[in-house]
Amino acid sequence: GEDVEQSLFLSVREGDSSVINCTYTDSSSTYLYWYKQEPGAGLQLLTYIFSNMDMKQDQRLTVLLNKKDKHLSLRIADTQTGDSAIYFCAVGGTGRRALTFGSGTRLQVQP
Amino acid sequence: SAVISQKPSRDICQRGTSLTIQCQVDSQVTMMFWYRQQPGQSLTLIATANQGSEATYESGFVIDKFPISRPNLTFSTLTVSNMSPEDSSIYLCSVSLSGGRGNSPLHFGNGTRLTVT
Repeated sequence: GEDVEQSLFLSVREGDSSVINCTYTDSSSTYLYWYKQEPGAGLQLLTYIFSNMDMKQDQRLTVLLNKKDKHLSLRIADTQTGDSAIYFCAVGGTGRRALTFGSGTRLQVQP
Repeated sequence: SAVISQKPSRDICQRGTSLTIQCQVDSQVTMMFWYRQQPGQSLTLIATANQGSEATYESGFVIDKFPISRPNLTFSTLTVSNMSPEDSSIYLCSVSLSGGRGNSPLHFGNGTRLTVT
């Protein structure tokens, strides 16, 4: 089955850019999502990218996809303390019943 | 997107008892899923809640332990039966607004934080 890997922890200073990385194994994955989970809350869909795209920008968020290396990244520009949360990468493909989630990356923003 | 309400938001239960978690969506949805998030872990799919038929369980999850109901297109319940401390987790209801396959994102409720003592 699909395997999705993320680094566990990232610490940045307020105002810096954060880059959260994700790798996956199934080359048929065609839909890739980023979710944010704040303490005590459910998962909030942040952004997504389709496999026929290399990049997607949405305000402070930039998603980069390297389909050859099966590598996905989420860049948060001008990181704020309110961005402190766990970020999950999730991938899916046509025909699969549900998404497969990575282990989550805990982003800590230092003031 | 959809508004997904889960109840209860948290509970502390004694081992051997059962807890039923409710998930209500403000619009009709085709696909509803139940996930488990163990402490410090990622999300694991428990089952797909099928309207009008038995739920489809993932490997490692069985109906006797996690019975699921889906009486209509806006509501589902998950019961955690005969609980043990290992069942302490966050249980999340999620829905797909279109298709339900990997080509559509999932939207999540706020989850039910369960502690079993």
